[in-house]
Amino acid sequence: EDQVTQSPEALRLQEGESSSLNCSYTVSGLRGLFWYRQDPGKGPEFLFTLYSAGEEKEKERLKATLTKKESFLHITAPKPEDSATYLCAGDNYGQNFVFGPGTRLSVLP
Amino acid sequence: DGGITQSPKYLFRKEGQNVTLSCEQNLNHDAMYWYRQDPGQGLRLIYYSQIVNDFQKGDIAEGYSVSREKKESFPLTVTSAQKNPTAFYLCASSTTSGGNTEAFFGQGTRLTVV
Repeated sequence: EDQVTQSPEALRLQEGESSSLNCSYTVSGLRGLFWYRQDPGKGPEFLFTLYSAGEEKEKERLKATLTKKESFLHITAPKPEDSATYLCAGDNYGQNFVFGPGTRLSVLP
Repeated sequence: DGGITQSPKYLFRKEGQNVTLSCEQNLNHDAMYWYRQDPGQGLRLIYYSQIVNDFQKGDIAEGYSVSREKKESFPLTVTSAQKNPTAFYLCASSTTSGGNTEAFFGQGTRLTVV
């Protein structure tokens, strides 16, 4: 069964304290691995797509990496506005997207 | 602006009523999806459609129905058979070919049973 898990469930950081979020997946025929940001009461906002092991993508303070079994979202020197839930999803070759439960990130000033 | 529009943003349903949630996209995407999100939980797939006039059940399709008569539109009906419909509903779309396969989401509809 296709499955995506994320850890930790929740993470509290001080402003400027760098850390990483983990996404582990068992998705048959994975075509792409996606990261989204979701603010309370809003739809998920697309951040990154990773297609192959070793690939990296960066956007401002965020960097996503991919291995054969997991992906990491690295947050460098976070700011309070980075507080959100970060969702990871796998695309099982166009059938549908399998989402993880998310990591709730709080960045304290 | 290209995007996905969900309406209404908030919806209240009485017990025993059917309600329909609207989802429209102008991204020219072939595939569309409906997800349900409960507090503190991830997204669970209700239905998806890869092409007009065709759709498949997701993991939690019971008590829901959909139609896909136009490429741009994928409405979701929450029927009276759905026993616990209070949730946040998200519609998404994606392309089924080409290099960029990520899904884009609407802003959601919050459904409450009163």
